[in-house]
Amino acid sequence: ETGVTQTPRHLVMGMTNKKSLKCEQHLGHNAMYWYKQSAKKPLELMFVYSLEERVENNSVPSRFSPECPNSSHLFLHLHTLQPEDSALYLCASSQAGTGGHEKLFFGSGTQLSVL
Amino acid sequence: GESVGLHLPTLSVQEGDNSIINCAYSNSASDYFIWYKQESGKGPQFIIDIRSNMDKRQGQRVTVLLNKTVKHLSLQIAATQPGDSAVYFCAEPNTGRRALTFGSGTRLQVQP
Repeated sequence: ETGVTQTPRHLVMGMTNKKSLKCEQHLGHNAMYWYKQSAKKPLELMFVYSLEERVENNSVPSRFSPECPNSSHLFLHLHTLQPEDSALYLCASSQAGTGGHEKLFFGSGTQLSVL
Repeated sequence: GESVGLHLPTLSVQEGDNSIINCAYSNSASDYFIWYKQESGKGPQFIIDIRSNMDKRQGQRVTVLLNKTVKHLSLQIAATQPGDSAVYFCAEPNTGRRALTFGSGTRLQVQP
């Protein structure tokens, strides 16, 4: 166990559905992340939250909406997704310091399929 | 721009042999590099890291080498075991140093 828990592990949704991905970290970290991992593509950074403030939005479409209510929880709200959004969505956390956000700890991901 | 890439998508080795996984980076200002291992059905897991003021760092059965002259990073795994089969990624800080940028990954297959 890495200390980062993601639910659900698998999700199938239609293009008109609304769903949410949940991430919880038990490491006492102050930064959380969403990455997208597609087949044959490197991990793509989506969002970064530091001290519950969104500090990076990597040109992600508005159909993805993140929420960070506290330093331990992170959500990704999904609505009107496209089939090309099917991917593994990975949550991570880190302890950000003066040297930057260095070692990331990842959850096991949510495998999303959009029909 | 920043770019972290890998030379080979798949590496196949015999059990017991040593494995070498390579990574090229383009951001000469990067001062920190990490290797991650991702097994099937799991998220990436930290293996080892190295700062740019070092050329070599050793862990348990793993060694990372950094050549700043040619902007090249390698991960060496000694006596490769079936449990080492996974995809390996190198990573470096992104431009804002708020996250990591990952390479495309190398799949390591260990043959019995």
